Amino acid sequence: GAVVSQHPSRVICKSGTSVKIECRSLDFQATTMFWYRQFPKQSLMLMATSNEGSKATYEQGVEKDKFLINHASLTLSTLTVTSAHPEDSSFYICSARGDAGQGGGYTFGSGTRLTVV
Amino acid sequence: QQQVKQSPQSLIVQKGGISIINCAYENTAFDYFPWYQQFPGKGPALLIAIRPDVSEKKEGRFTISFNKSAKQFSLHIMDSQPGDSATYFCAAGYHKLSFGAGTTVTVRA
Repeated sequence: GAVVSQHPSRVICKSGTSVKIECRSLDFQATTMFWYRQFPKQSLMLMATSNEGSKATYEQGVEKDKFLINHASLTLSTLTVTSAHPEDSSFYICSARGDAGQGGGYTFGSGTRLTVV
Repeated sequence: QQQVKQSPQSLIVQKGGISIINCAYENTAFDYFPWYQQFPGKGPALLIAIRPDVSEKKEGRFTISFNKSAKQFSLHIMDSQPGDSATYFCAAGYHKLSFGAGTTVTVRA
């Protein structure tokens, strides 16, 4: 089945630094990738949608200059949290969707726990 | 604006019992309705999904019932086991998914 690898699983960074999270589709080409944020005991909140080779589309209220998304290939998308602050601490999850020929379903990564100290 | 409403927020079921979680959606353009299971510290894992041209889909102990006219769908977990204790999310969408608030299921041995 479709597998999405997300790395790192946990990261601790100092306030003011930047952190990059990678999301890879291992056995299929992801036409679209999604980035979510999840706070404890809450649902997944969509941050942005990205298509390979084009700019990401951010949801309302998400700062695109703080959360930089790059979808450089059909198998790799990255989320960079710039100038991180403690309030950016959260669980970040990526998702990848193949085309209709691949079932068109959404596969999720295992998530990245970001702690900003 | 919450596009998918999920209930209950939590439920407790005895081992061997049936867990039922309900969701309702607003957008009639939605054409994909998945259910995800999530354990603490892990990403959501797809359990089962349905398209609107089907009213019911069963995979093992998991069944989705879909009512297009009522814009509702539900997940039934039969013969619930302690290992099913997790948070379950319904979702709906076409180009992107909107998630329900989640249901924490606890299965008592």
